[in-house]
Amino acid sequence: AQTVTQSQPEMSVQEAETVTLSCTYDTSESDYYLFWYKQPPSRQMILVIRQEAYKQQNATENRFSVNFQKAAKSFSLKISDSQLGDAAMYFCAPFSNYQLIWGAGTKLIIKP
Amino acid sequence: NAGVMQNPRHLVRRRGQEARLRCSPMKGHSHVYWYRQLPEEGLKFMVYLQKENIIDESGMPKERFSAEFPKEGPSILRIQQVVRGDSAAYFCASSLTGPSDSTKSYEQYFGPGTRLTVT
Repeated sequence: AQTVTQSQPEMSVQEAETVTLSCTYDTSESDYYLFWYKQPPSRQMILVIRQEAYKQQNATENRFSVNFQKAAKSFSLKISDSQLGDAAMYFCAPFSNYQLIWGAGTKLIIKP
Repeated sequence: NAGVMQNPRHLVRRRGQEARLRCSPMKGHSHVYWYRQLPEEGLKFMVYLQKENIIDESGMPKERFSAEFPKEGPSILRIQQVVRGDSAAYFCASSLTGPSDSTKSYEQYFGPGTRLTVT
């Protein structure tokens, strides 16, 4: 079975600082996609960033970037210059066999 | 450009009743996915549909649950004879393409979810 592990149930960071959320996964696929989604208190699921497994270059989207280590099956999310609006649950989700496989999430708290 | 629409946003049903959850994908999207989220957990895949076809229902309970995506109209997730354990948030997502498409634009865009409470 494909699994996703987010080992940090909760993280807190001072506003304007940088934080890294970890994710490891298990898959037998060689070609797949990985996503990070955020879920704020409104519960709307919002796509943050995506990474194609066949690309060696790490994806970047404004203040959000990933560190993708394919051999280690690791896919961490770095948030730079944290803002109050970044407070949310963050989910790592590889895409394989028609479906997104979800981790349990990391709750990110931003301290003003 | 409207996003994925789900209704109702909140649904309360008594045990034994039927629940119908609706999802209208983004304009131009023909791939729909349903997920369930229990409290304090990540989402769990239920079913993947294209217009008039169920592609993968491996995450759907074998009994009481069914899904459809007709040629016209929204996708429907139907739960018959609901039980308390069905209480959860149900999310629908849509994508422009699917895994078999060469463009591989798999991003799934989510609706706001339907919170089902079974009393």
